[in-house]
Amino acid sequence: ETGVTQTPRHLVMGMTNKKSLKCEQHLGHNAMYWYKQSAKKPLELMFVYSLEERVENNSVPSRFSPECPNSSHLFLHLHTLQPEDSALYLCASSQGDSSYNEQFFGPGTRLTVL
Amino acid sequence: QKEVEQNSGPLSVPEGAIASLNCTYSDRGSQSFFWYRQYSGKSPELIMSIYSNGDKEDGRFTAQLNKASQYVSLLIRDSQPSDSATYLCAVDTGGFKTIFGAGTRLFVKA
Repeated sequence: ETGVTQTPRHLVMGMTNKKSLKCEQHLGHNAMYWYKQSAKKPLELMFVYSLEERVENNSVPSRFSPECPNSSHLFLHLHTLQPEDSALYLCASSQGDSSYNEQFFGPGTRLTVL
Repeated sequence: QKEVEQNSGPLSVPEGAIASLNCTYSDRGSQSFFWYRQYSGKSPELIMSIYSNGDKEDGRFTAQLNKASQYVSLLIRDSQPSDSATYLCAVDTGGFKTIFGAGTRLFVKA
């Protein structure tokens, strides 16, 4: 595997379900990000982890719960979601202690909440 | 609130022409600027980074930065139909926070 991978690529869930999104980066980076991309809206930063510590929580509802067990893996745990949470969820990584902070994205998980 | 503004387009150019994409940002303290290309149904792909005033060229792509005017642009020379995509401008405002514009849709007509 190379770059940033995400699983699953597609997810359909009901509002009462619990599911998790997984992200893995193979770039040796030390920062990882979750973004939400809805139609016709800019990418919204949800969470940032640097060296496995959460450094940014962008007023995200508690039904989204991130977990970063190590610098290569990032999870987003989902529970009791709403239909408006349907979107493309993107994971990214970067060398966070670099002045330049170029972010590289995974392929995304297309989430549909029924 | 820190913002990044882009014309949503669509911007339509004929094959072989120069496509010019523009972006303005509100945080004067921003230091790093990026252009991402996003094909429909795909994730953003980093194509250019620029950190100092002036031009930076990479193949058919040229990024231009003017910090005094808080303006970033991307020029695509010899545009190809495969360049048809949405181009996202992104600005690193520090502290792991990157603000993305909503993107400009580019169509290159064969």
